Amino acid sequence: LAKTTQPISMDSYEGQEVNITCSHNNIATNDYITWYQQFPSQGPRFIIQGYKTKVTNEVASLFIPADRKSSTLSLPRVSLSDTAVYYCLVGSYSGSARQLTFGSGTQLTVLP
Amino acid sequence: DAGVTQSPTHLIKTRGQHVTLRCSPISGHKSVSWYQQVLGQGPQFIFQYYEKEERGRGNFPDRFSARQFPNYSSELNVNALLLGDSALYLCASSLDGLAGGGTDTQYFGPGTRLTVL
Repeated sequence: LAKTTQPISMDSYEGQEVNITCSHNNIATNDYITWYQQFPSQGPRFIIQGYKTKVTNEVASLFIPADRKSSTLSLPRVSLSDTAVYYCLVGSYSGSARQLTFGSGTQLTVLP
Repeated sequence: DAGVTQSPTHLIKTRGQHVTLRCSPISGHKSVSWYQQVLGQGPQFIFQYYEKEERGRGNFPDRFSARQFPNYSSELNVNALLLGDSALYLCASSLDGLAGGGTDTQYFGPGTRLTVL
């Protein structure tokens, strides 16, 4: 089964770039790495997804090294509204049974 | 377009009771997954269903069961409720393109808050 590790918390100031890393072993060969944002009492919201190298969309970038044992979510110029918990999600297999494993989550606090 | 919907939004039960939670996926999505999120922790995978078949199961006791219907909606059932079952139960749907080398991007509903007294 995949095992994921994230920093518990991070603080940043408005306008700064924030990088959050997730370590994940045993990710399935053909599986993607997905990052989510979650506010209290809400469902996780999709941010970005990638397989390897670098992916960029309008809100974030995702860096995945060749060995795919980690990934780094990059949030450019964060604002107060980016204060939330950020999770990585990876897929793996136990035999033929699919497993979906969330990281423990990183509480990002953006300060004025 | 409607996202993933879940019902009810909140639920209060007592120990030993049974509960059924419901989920409707995004139109066109054939896979539904269930997660339990205890306060202060990350979501824990319970089940994934694809085309009405169980594709995967997390480390949960047999008190937890689920099924997927022909219209791809799903139910999660929990028997003999314990205080520790109090949590936010999340449902996610996906197109599930894994078979074709695509992705299994999970899109989440708002969750059902279950409180067991």
